[in-house]
Amino acid sequence: QAVVTQEPSLTVSPGETVTLTCGSSTGAVTSGHYPYWFQQKPGQAPRAFIYDTSNKHSWTPARFSGSLLGGKAALTLSGAQPEDEAEYYCLVSYSGAWVFGGGTKLTVL
Amino acid sequence: QVQLVESGGGVVQPGGSLRLSCAASGFSFSSYGIHWVRQAPGKGLEWLTFIQYDGSNKYFVDSVKGRFTISRDNSKNTVYLQMNSLRTDDTAIYYCAKDGWYCSTTTCYTRSAEYFQHWGQGTLVTVSS
Repeated sequence: QAVVTQEPSLTVSPGETVTLTCGSSTGAVTSGHYPYWFQQKPGQAPRAFIYDTSNKHSWTPARFSGSLLGGKAALTLSGAQPEDEAEYYCLVSYSGAWVFGGGTKLTVL
Repeated sequence: QVQLVESGGGVVQPGGSLRLSCAASGFSFSSYGIHWVRQAPGKGLEWLTFIQYDGSNKYFVDSVKGRFTISRDNSKNTVYLQMNSLRTDDTAIYYCAKDGWYCSTTTCYTRSAEYFQHWGQGTLVTVSS
């Protein structure tokens, strides 16, 4: 089965911009993989943030955006806030099966 | 509102079995598939398995094929995860999550925003001697 790869950790300064990426061992991530992004804070269940590449839920802060970038799915945070410090997971669909990326621990410092 | 409640976790010896339940409420249960996802202590999320709204299609990650089975009882609004031949690396919090493919008696279509939008609180499975 496919392996989905994310940066293990990233650090961003408050107010700055950071991009998290999500790659697939099978090739380019496309809209047909319906990439999803989740935020998870310690002790909590994951929370859906982005669906179908770039769509936001009503609770997703406007500073988050999803896209496809260089053959990967990407989550961009523009203007990081301390409360954005969390683990972020992408999820990719492979014709019935799904695969999570390993997660990116985002530190806002 | 949509609610998913997992139960059945506990401590089991290696090689043992456990059955988890995911009880759903607040939506048309028989119209949606359900996923199971787990998270080992301090580790990432791992998608495990999915069962279609009517139980006709099921998918599994390779690491649990042949050991885990998934089933559902639409009369009880419940999905079950039967876990056999448990190993120490199966120790994790097990979550169920609602799918976004909706099927009524006449039609099926995707509700993209609903995929993995709703999760249970998780149930802890510990495999240890």
